[in-house]
Amino acid sequence: AQSVAQPEDQVNVAEGNPLTVKCTYSVSGNPYLFWYVQYPNRGLQFLLKYITGDNLVKGSYGFEAEFNKSQTSFHLKKPSALVSDSALYFCAVRDGDAGKSTFGDGTTLTVKP
Amino acid sequence: DGGITQSPKYLFRKEGQNVTLSCEQNLNHDAMYWYRQDPGQGLRLIYYSQIVNDFQKGDIAEGYSVSREKKESFPLTVTSAQKNPTAFYLCASSTRQGGAEAFFGQGTRLTVV
Repeated sequence: AQSVAQPEDQVNVAEGNPLTVKCTYSVSGNPYLFWYVQYPNRGLQFLLKYITGDNLVKGSYGFEAEFNKSQTSFHLKKPSALVSDSALYFCAVRDGDAGKSTFGDGTTLTVKP
Repeated sequence: DGGITQSPKYLFRKEGQNVTLSCEQNLNHDAMYWYRQDPGQGLRLIYYSQIVNDFQKGDIAEGYSVSREKKESFPLTVTSAQKNPTAFYLCASSTRQGGAEAFFGQGTRLTVV
């Protein structure tokens, strides 16, 4: 079985400061890992993914994520937060070609001016 | 303009009625998914389909039904057997590759009145 944990319901940062949104996962095989963002009353938008290769993955809007196999983590990061980054962020995992993804419960990011 | 379209955006249902939520995609994706989103609970998988004329139950399929007669369409019926249907419903599609990200519709908010 596959699972995802986002240990923080809420993350607050000041504009211009670095941000980190945490994600840990559990799979039996090689993981495919994803980050998505959701704005109020909208669908999810894809940010970035890890399939294989370089542990540091770069995605949309200046976001990046670091895959750490030993810690089974895939934390989302951005060097300098913007107020417009405020949204709900979801981490997801897929165990190989199992055909379905499992999502975390989401983390609400609030960036204050 | 490629994408995935859900309709209607808002839907009101009387108790005891069945309702059908529409999901159409023109991305030529084989796989389609239905998720339910409740506050603080993230996304929970209702049904998914990897190919036309085939679909599998997700984690919370009770009280729901689907069909996949065409590649482009994956309608979800919320039946009267679903005890707590008020929620935000999200449809998604992807290719069948394990590392493929999902594309989401804008969601349908269903309210039982």
